[in-house]
Amino acid sequence: DVKVTQSSRYLVKRTGEKVFLECVQDMDHENMFWYRQDPGLGLRLIYFSYDVKMKEKGDIPEGYSVSREKKERFSLILESASTNQTSMYLCASSPGLATIPSTDTQYFGPGTRLTVL
Amino acid sequence: AQKVTQAQTEISVVEKEDVTLDCVYETRDTTYYLFWYKQPPSGELVFLIRRNSFDEQNEISGRYSWNFQKSTSSFNFTITASQVVDSAVYFCALSDGDSSYKLIFGSGTRLLVRP
Repeated sequence: DVKVTQSSRYLVKRTGEKVFLECVQDMDHENMFWYRQDPGLGLRLIYFSYDVKMKEKGDIPEGYSVSREKKERFSLILESASTNQTSMYLCASSPGLATIPSTDTQYFGPGTRLTVL
Repeated sequence: AQKVTQAQTEISVVEKEDVTLDCVYETRDTTYYLFWYKQPPSGELVFLIRRNSFDEQNEISGRYSWNFQKSTSSFNFTITASQVVDSAVYFCALSDGDSSYKLIFGSGTRLLVRP
C-alpha cells in the first residue's frame, strides 16, 4: 500500500513565524504535491515537484516555497506565516507516468490542520 | 479553461437510502481523465475511481456506481443503500492535456448519512 505521511496533524503558529510542513512517501513516486483545502473552494494546488530539486508553481504559490532534496520527502515552507494561511494542508504523491493528460492517481496524506494566530 | 462543478454542497440522507452526487466538468480536450476521491473525517483523501474519456461504460463496484455521460459532461456517483460509514466529503477531479500533472478538483460534496 502507498503510504504518505505528514509530520503533524495539527499545528498552531504565530503570525510571522517560519513554518515547515513535511511530507514523506514510501513508494518511490516521482511526483509530489502540496494542496490547501478551504471550505467551498475544494483543493487548490500550491506547488508540485516532478523530480528531486525540481518544482513548479501551482495555482496559489504566493507566500509559500518548497524543497525536495530527496525523492521521498517534500517540504512546504511558509516563510512568514499569516492568518490567511490558516487552512488544511494536504500532501500527495503519484507514480509520475509520462502521459499527457496525466493518468496518474494521486495518493494523499492525512493532512495538517494549520492555525496561524 | 478546465473546470469541475459539484453543485451540491451538502447532502443528508437516512441510512439505506440511495444517493447520487453530481459532477459536471468542462474541458476543451477530447482525451481526459475523471476521478472521484472520498475524504472521511480522518482527513485523508482516498482514491475511488479513474475513468478515461473514451470509456463511457458505467462502472459498478459493490454499492458504488458511476455514470459517465459525455453528452452532458457529467460523471455522477451513486451510492446504493447508503451506510453511516459513507459519511464523508466526496471530490470529483479532472485531468486533461492543459492541466499536465495537475488534477482540477471540484469544491466537494459533504454527505451525511444518518442512522
